[in-house]
Amino acid sequence: DAGITQSPRHKVTETGTPVTLRCHQTENHRYMYWYRQDPGHGLRLIHYSYGVKDTDKGEVSDGYSVSRSKTEDFLLTLESATSSQTSVYFCATQGGNNQPQHFGDGTRLSIL
Amino acid sequence: AQRVTQPEKLLSVFKGAPVELKCNYSYSGSPELFWYVQYSRQRLQLLLRHISRESIKGFTADLNKGETSFHLKKPFAQEEDSAMYYCALSDNSGYSTLTFGKGTMLLVSP
Repeated sequence: DAGITQSPRHKVTETGTPVTLRCHQTENHRYMYWYRQDPGHGLRLIHYSYGVKDTDKGEVSDGYSVSRSKTEDFLLTLESATSSQTSVYFCATQGGNNQPQHFGDGTRLSIL
Repeated sequence: AQRVTQPEKLLSVFKGAPVELKCNYSYSGSPELFWYVQYSRQRLQLLLRHISRESIKGFTADLNKGETSFHLKKPFAQEEDSAMYYCALSDNSGYSTLTFGKGTMLLVSP
């Protein structure tokens, strides 16, 4: 769907370690988003990007940073992972205003 | 602030029964509403958007601005409809970020 690849698909790591998740798209979509999915909370926006080097915070941005050095890649970094960041992370892309968002397969991250 | 409410965490019906998944929203402007579906451990897929007014997999949804609702309906549920359904709102700003409801799990039993 919209050529979105998330890596890794699964990761288990320890509290305090840095973690980087990658979202790669092949559709040349301008907008990219990172969400986390948790039971009872649905999907919540972490950060989003509206172009290369242009990013902004979402609803639950604390503890996360992002970078977008190329149109096709949007990286999500947990500088020092905590157990509360155990979640499923979804990347989404959007071609333009008023276009629907398309989602990747998700990354299941466990922080022990 | 915009908000999307899906009052039911779980909706359980028998095959062939009608289904209505409720979605209410609060937003002061003119929103765009979507329904996304997530089958077990898969990616979210767009099911419907209100501006297209189409029927996908037998599902329909009508935007009722007076009641601020966008309920998803299907006259005859099928077992393969079992999934998590999310209602989402876009504020139609330049970046069109989505606000999601917490989701409703639909279980269709034979």
